[in-house]
Amino acid sequence: ETGVTQSPTHLIKTRGQQVTLRCSSQSGHNTVSWYQQALGQGPQFIFQYYREEENGRGNFPPRFSGLQFPNYSSELNVNALELDDSALYLCASSLIGGSGYTFGSGTRLTVV
Amino acid sequence: KNEVEQSPQNLTAQEGEFITINCSYSVGISALHWLQQHPGGGIVSLFMLSSGKKKHGRLIATINIQEKHSSLHITASHPRDSAVYICAVAETSGSRLTFGEGTQLTVNP
Repeated sequence: ETGVTQSPTHLIKTRGQQVTLRCSSQSGHNTVSWYQQALGQGPQFIFQYYREEENGRGNFPPRFSGLQFPNYSSELNVNALELDDSALYLCASSLIGGSGYTFGSGTRLTVV
Repeated sequence: KNEVEQSPQNLTAQEGEFITINCSYSVGISALHWLQQHPGGGIVSLFMLSSGKKKHGRLIATINIQEKHSSLHITASHPRDSAVYICAVAETSGSRLTFGEGTQLTVNP
């Protein structure tokens, strides 16, 4: 049974640039959710992907977008990076309708 | 007011002490999760609860659905238990998780 793998683990970008973060799904899971965790705070829901479509979205602007692939892996894209986008980005896979989640180790993004 | 509230925010204990972290929520849930996050950032799932009580080693988690409250207990705490403990709920309206702010636990030898 494979877990959830996120890449890269750390990333430094300049304000205004674009970034793509990647997440594999645990074997047997068909849904990937993305969360943003600012320093000292709990994770905030960005969006969820199921069947290659967005299946719910939190309070994040359209410059946060995503994709899900046929193998259930997912990408998070952020355009026009802002300093406040600096955070730990977590993904979690699950089975749609289920309540169990497997988390990745996160990607720490720093925007300078 | 956050939908998921944890207390305390910070907790320092001496090795061997009994520890309790509390979580209250205000939405309908299908399950409640207790998670552990170490400084590197990765999150480990400790428990998933929809009723009653679960035990794993020195960790015990309880939930009271009527009162919308859950507790995580650590018996005979150890410095390696030092981490952030996060409560998260899976809402009945969807499958996303809503997280509490976390409790930073430090256990001193």
